[in-house]
Amino acid sequence: DIQMTQSPSSLSASVGDRVTITCRASQSISSSLNWYQQKPGKAPKRLMYAASTLDSGVPSRFSGSGSGTEFTLTISSLQPEDFATYSCLQYNSYPRTFGQGTKVEIK
Amino acid sequence: EVHLVESGGGLVQPGGSLRLSCAASGFTFSSDWMDWVRQAPGKGLEWVANIKQDGSEKYYVDSVKGRFTISRDNAKNSLYLQMNSLKVEDTAMYYCSKALGYWGQGTQVTVAS
Repeated sequence: DIQMTQSPSSLSASVGDRVTITCRASQSISSSLNWYQQKPGKAPKRLMYAASTLDSGVPSRFSGSGSGTEFTLTISSLQPEDFATYSCLQYNSYPRTFGQGTKVEIK
Repeated sequence: EVHLVESGGGLVQPGGSLRLSCAASGFTFSSDWMDWVRQAPGKGLEWVANIKQDGSEKYYVDSVKGRFTISRDNAKNSLYLQMNSLKVEDTAMYYCSKALGYWGQGTQVTVAS
């Protein structure tokens, strides 16, 4: 199975900060990576697919990059509604595997 | 608009069975892979299974192989997850997803004696 390791597991940041979350795959997954945002008590919402393609309606302050084994999700200027947990998912092979999540909290 | 509504969750004893359903609308159901994903209380997301458009291919995470069966009825725009021999560690919110893009709101499964 491909292991997805996210870092950090949590972070504290202020509104307006630039935030970067990293996801590393235990082997190459090409660009087969999604990023999700999840708020407490809610279903995950996909932000990005194919590592860097923004889903419709997702603000442009979110961006993704990477291929192979290392990927990043960047929020250029953190907004109050962005405080949530972010998770990556690889869909290059079975079983699909998620990172453990990164909780973004208010500083 | 894509709409996915899960049902069938509940409290069941270890060793018991449940059948989850997912009613889909707002898209051509027969054109998409469908997935089940779960999340144990306070934990991360875990992919469970998926099924090809015509049901000819199915994949599972190892921890549910031989116990869970994914199926679909394209005429009814519905996805199912038959869960047998349930274990305490299967306790989770179960989400139905259209190709891991759109997600339903989930149905809670609790396995406890």
